[in-house]
Amino acid sequence: GAGVSQSPSNKVTEKGKDVELRCDPISGHTALYWYRQRLGQGLEFLIYFQGNSAPDKSGLPSDRFSAERTGESVSTLTIQRTQQEDSAVYLCASSAGLLSTFPSYEQYFGPGTRLTVT
Amino acid sequence: RKEVEQDPGPFNVPEGATVAFNCTYSNSASQSFFWYRQDCRKEPKLLMSVYSSGNEDGRFTAQLNRASQYISLLIRDSKLSDSATYLCVVNRRGGATNKLIFGTGTLLAVQP
Repeated sequence: GAGVSQSPSNKVTEKGKDVELRCDPISGHTALYWYRQRLGQGLEFLIYFQGNSAPDKSGLPSDRFSAERTGESVSTLTIQRTQQEDSAVYLCASSAGLLSTFPSYEQYFGPGTRLTVT
Repeated sequence: RKEVEQDPGPFNVPEGATVAFNCTYSNSASQSFFWYRQDCRKEPKLLMSVYSSGNEDGRFTAQLNRASQYISLLIRDSKLSDSATYLCVVNRRGGATNKLIFGTGTLLAVQP
């Protein structure tokens, strides 16, 4: 079946521009996560959506970052006024969410969007 | 202090060697534990879940010590294809939250 897809796969943008990254989760997965991974670094949690609950935005690094999700489908991560330190791979993952039981918390990751801010 | 801590490595081992990775977590409310694998420039993928009694999957053995808040992964008879970063992952669940907390990973390089 189809996995998590992300677009674009690569994005080069000029400092100060806005970018929008898209994630299509696995159908039926109620939970969706965004992570950032800088070169040679670990995964940095950004935001988590679970069904119709208020999202957990505790990982967003600044108010330039925002994300939306329509129902239990597509999510977009928007970065406004991009800075060079925003350069990273942005990974999206989905899982069966709260209704799942161990070990079905598995998060399935998309291939990521590599963002380069020049 | 990070919620999940791992030795970043790198661990350089010859083919056929046995290698062990350790991980500690700080939140005693953590409920579930996993090892993920991330190949260079690829997304993380689940390697195995970690059960309380320990579990084995082929050459891979995972152990959990809740009292010491410690998780381990043992790889026997290392293959070149095992070269990757191994991520220790802890699930924290409560209320409307079901989050995975990732360690920064341990890099394994298996040498011919």
